[in-house]
Amino acid sequence: DQQVKQNSPSLSVQEGRISILNCDYTNSMFDYFLWYKKYPAEGPTFLISISSIKDKNEDGRFTVFLNKSAKHLSLHIVPSQPGDSAVYFCAASVGGAGGTSYGKLTFGQGTILTVHP
Amino acid sequence: DAMVIQNPRYQVTQFGKPVTLSCSQTLNHNVMYWYQQKSSQAPKLLFHYYDKDFNNEADTPDNFQSRRPNTSFCFLDIRSPGLGDAAMYLCATSSAGGIQETQYFGPGTRLLVL
Repeated sequence: DQQVKQNSPSLSVQEGRISILNCDYTNSMFDYFLWYKKYPAEGPTFLISISSIKDKNEDGRFTVFLNKSAKHLSLHIVPSQPGDSAVYFCAASVGGAGGTSYGKLTFGQGTILTVHP
Repeated sequence: DAMVIQNPRYQVTQFGKPVTLSCSQTLNHNVMYWYQQKSSQAPKLLFHYYDKDFNNEADTPDNFQSRRPNTSFCFLDIRSPGLGDAAMYLCATSSAGGIQETQYFGPGTRLLVL
């Protein structure tokens, strides 16, 4: 049972244009969502996150949008740069009210982004 | 720089020969995780430690064990590696206590089983 899905295995974008990576989830208990970037032979690097109480979070060129009713989130990269070429993982967790909440992550399969010069 | 370190980066072992992968962190995080990632798949959580409390995922094979002797170090022991255990093994940490915690990953150890 795959609770987090990234249906596009790959995406190719021209430098300077917008990259949009999509992620769908099925577990309505998820309340915290993260995007990680992974280069070959390296571990995932945290990129940006969003809480379920928000519908948008922005950090420089990266913006994450959350549509809870559709159980869908997306990552926008504007403008895209060749250095953004990597695998992007969407992840989700069930948080809680703090204390012993330790946020077990459920990952999607990843989307390979290629940004062409 | 505070970080998560995994050694070795590449490990080759023989079928059935026990192997230990190590992870250390300078973030002083109280939660440590081990994930298995096979090619083109999502990272899959094997288990995690919340301080000294060990939490095993229901579908983690008994072949996989873990030890956390102190806050900084965590080990993954594979007692009898099979060909299907060849994968990237990722260690991550987080600082529990907030409402939502971000996990920080090490570079991973790629395990090859011959």
